[in-house]
Amino acid sequence: AQSVTQLDSQVPVFEEAPVELRCNYSSSVSVYLFWYVQYPNQGLQLLLKYLSGSTLVKGINGFEAEFNKSQTSFHLRKPSVHISDTAEYFCAVSRPYNNNDMRFGAGTRLTVKP
Amino acid sequence: DTGVSQDPRHKITKRGQNVTFRCDPISEHNRLYWYRQTLGQGPEFLTYFQNEAQLEKSRLLSNRFSAERPKGSFSTLEIQRTEQGDSAMYLCASSFGTGSTEAFFGQGTRLTVV
Repeated sequence: AQSVTQLDSQVPVFEEAPVELRCNYSSSVSVYLFWYVQYPNQGLQLLLKYLSGSTLVKGINGFEAEFNKSQTSFHLRKPSVHISDTAEYFCAVSRPYNNNDMRFGAGTRLTVKP
Repeated sequence: DTGVSQDPRHKITKRGQNVTFRCDPISEHNRLYWYRQTLGQGPEFLTYFQNEAQLEKSRLLSNRFSAERPKGSFSTLEIQRTEQGDSAMYLCASSFGTGSTEAFFGQGTRLTVV
């Protein structure tokens, strides 16, 4: 079965600084990859997804992620963060066309400081 | 359509009581998923429905848990004889078709067992 590891449980960063949230995945078959954001006491909102094609994926709120098959990674980046980006971020993996098989990482808490 | 909605948003119950949560998916979505999220963790898959059929149940879904989707629209998740370990956020998600690339999440029901 597929799985993901989020390498940092917490990432503090100052406002307007760049940020990278790291995600590695494990799977013996092709995968879909996702990044979700969760604000306090809220559900999950999709930031971006990789299905196939271009390895650089752009999402909402200025986030982007790069799929690296050789390193089995799908790191999330933003060149300049805002206070409002403070939230929990989850990387997830699924087999193509099998959302029921989606597996989430433990999450990375991004805290943006003024 | 305003997305996936869950009711209630918060539930506090005494140990041993039964609780029931409701999820209304996006109207044209035929797949519906339940996840559980404990503090500091990513969501964990519990079960999913395609229309009214419950097609998969995780080993996390003990015999005290039961989910239904009687008419292929809304779903309920019941927990009988609640235990303190059941305290968690219960998330519902829905997607369209068998070839879906994305699941849309509700805001969750926060259960606290005292």
